[in-house]
Amino acid sequence: GAVVSQHPSWVICKSGTSVKIECRSLDFQATTMFWYRQFPKQSLMLMATSNEGSKATYEQGVEKDKFLINHASLTLSTLTVTSAHPEDSSFYICSASGTLQETQYFGPGTRLLVL
Amino acid sequence: LAKTTQPISMDSYEGQEVNITCSHNNIATNDYITWYQQFPSQGPRFIIQGYKTKVTNEVASLFIPADRKSSTLSLPRVSLSDTAVYYCLVGDCADSNYQLIWGAGTKLIIKP
Repeated sequence: GAVVSQHPSWVICKSGTSVKIECRSLDFQATTMFWYRQFPKQSLMLMATSNEGSKATYEQGVEKDKFLINHASLTLSTLTVTSAHPEDSSFYICSASGTLQETQYFGPGTRLLVL
Repeated sequence: LAKTTQPISMDSYEGQEVNITCSHNNIATNDYITWYQQFPSQGPRFIIQGYKTKVTNEVASLFIPADRKSSTLSLPRVSLSDTAVYYCLVGDCADSNYQLIWGAGTKLIIKP
């Protein structure tokens, strides 16, 4: 099956630091990638949808200047949490699909802890 | 936007068949129904997807009635490792973005 990786799996940083999370589709070309955030015991919340070579589409309430998304190639998307604060601590998960209509395959997630 | 409704939690025992039903009354003609499994601190894992009638794979079966307003995920002979949260999603085409609408999921606990 399709494999999606994320790096890093864990990150602990000081408040004010910018953190970059990578999402890679290892064995298929991902036209579309999705970024989610999940707080403890809650469901996934879609943050943004990105298509290769285009600007990401952000969900209402998600600050695009805070969460920078780059989808420069068909196998890589990055999410940068700029000037992270403790309230940004969460589990960030990416998913990838070959086209908008195909099944999404999820990465293992990145746990961010901002002190 | 289509929404799904699932039981918040369910308990069962090893070796039993577990059925989790999801309601999606506003499902659109082009929408597919997808089920994911998520363990704590891991990304969701695709289980099964269907449009109508019955779909079966090596992991589960998905039953979808003719009106498609609900679907039932069937897990045969569950084991302790099937304890997880199960999400039912309905594909929603809006403004050219195909977004999966995530509900709260069903927390399934399997007991020995």
